[in-house]
Amino acid sequence: QVQLKESGPGLVQPSQTLSLTCTVAGFSLTSYNVHWVRQPPGKGLEWMGVIWNTGGTRYNSALKSRLSISKDTSKSQVFLKMNSLQTEDTATYYCARDLTYWGQGVMVTVSS
Amino acid sequence: DIQMTQSPSSMSASLGDRVTITCQASQDIGNNLIWFQQKPGKSPRRMIYYATNLANGVPSRFSGSRSGSDYSLTIISLESEDMADYHCLQYKQYPHTFGAGTKLELK
Repeated sequence: QVQLKESGPGLVQPSQTLSLTCTVAGFSLTSYNVHWVRQPPGKGLEWMGVIWNTGGTRYNSALKSRLSISKDTSKSQVFLKMNSLQTEDTATYYCARDLTYWGQGVMVTVSS
Repeated sequence: DIQMTQSPSSMSASLGDRVTITCQASQDIGNNLIWFQQKPGKSPRRMIYYATNLANGVPSRFSGSRSGSDYSLTIISLESEDMADYHCLQYKQYPHTFGAGTKLELK
């Protein structure tokens, strides 16, 4: 059974770095791509980036200067790191396998 | 980046109505488009992929079509469980891009 679950801090201070983990089960990260998508409260979805099964990455143009996606295939985990957080980064963050199977999302609030 | 212009931003319809939501791509994306359904507090659910293919478990009252750079999601005979937000996404090119979303409500 394919499962993805996001985890991370619920609250981050402005200018700090966000670190999120997507832990997967039921498939190997060497075989599938994992995407990160976020959604500010009451707004639409924003594609953030992807890590390919090969380890290559692609990022949203507006975020790529402060966004990094990596993975540890042995632990079945994908990592998102984004620096210089601002209040506009308050959102629910989702990881998704091939945009087909999605995690439940994790809400992150940027506030002092 | 490819821009996806989605319309309408919101709409209300009655049970049994036929509903159509549209996304227009700013560049050629072929059939590389997905439609998602999202209910309040839930993760997005893939409904249509490659513009016209119904995802597993999706009711047959949903369909996707393409006319040039315009992509449509149609629901024939609307049911109460279809009230949700709908989003399109192009995956022809990186970065992938979403439309702004459509909120479908009951009239």
